[in-house]
Amino acid sequence: DTGVSQDPRHKITKRGQNVTFRCDPISEHNRLYWYRQTLGQGPEFLTYFQNEAQLEKSRLLSDRFSAERPKGSFSTLEIQRTEQGDSAMYLCASSLADRGRQFFGPGTRLTVL
Amino acid sequence: AQTVTQSQPEMSVQEAETVTLSCTYDTSESNYYLFWYKQPPSRQMILVIRQEAYKQQNATENRFSVNFQKAAKSFSLKISDSQLGDTAMYFCAFMKPSAYSGAGSYQLTFGKGTKLSVIP
Repeated sequence: DTGVSQDPRHKITKRGQNVTFRCDPISEHNRLYWYRQTLGQGPEFLTYFQNEAQLEKSRLLSDRFSAERPKGSFSTLEIQRTEQGDSAMYLCASSLADRGRQFFGPGTRLTVL
Repeated sequence: AQTVTQSQPEMSVQEAETVTLSCTYDTSESNYYLFWYKQPPSRQMILVIRQEAYKQQNATENRFSVNFQKAAKSFSLKISDSQLGDTAMYFCAFMKPSAYSGAGSYQLTFGKGTKLSVIP
């Protein structure tokens, strides 16, 4: 299966700790997106990469959040000094440079105690 | 900014029957994409169907079809011959391609979702 993969699938951490999530997109996809989904809501856009360039960041992405995509392959999303409000499912998606068809990974569920 | 509204938080349908999920959106753009995504319990989001706004013909994918009313900014999903595996959250989503507008990203804007239960 060559779909989008995310690691870890679940993460439990204490408030104030740093966490890092990884996303591996479909290999030929040059666009990569991060979304956040809280319980009972649809996903909300966080940030977007085209190849290695981070082209847009949502206002939801506070200074405690940082994302990278070195060499235009996998991406990491780091949250520093986690807060209970960061508890959510973090979804990664990838797409080719046309048609807007985004393929989603299984997500990383973060619980901040 | 675009908004997507799904007014039915929950719906249920008998197996083999037909159900329609509603979605409305607000935008000033003339060219855009609309999507329906399915999120089964504890499983990942799957694209069900996509509609390009400049195409008047409604998209269909097997048992899934849409009723796209551009002037009314309405985009409903019809599921025919409902199956137990259709039980899931269904999200309507809007995307404004930057190639058309000259600005912005390819981000998806989602509604809050409709929880569909197919009853045996």
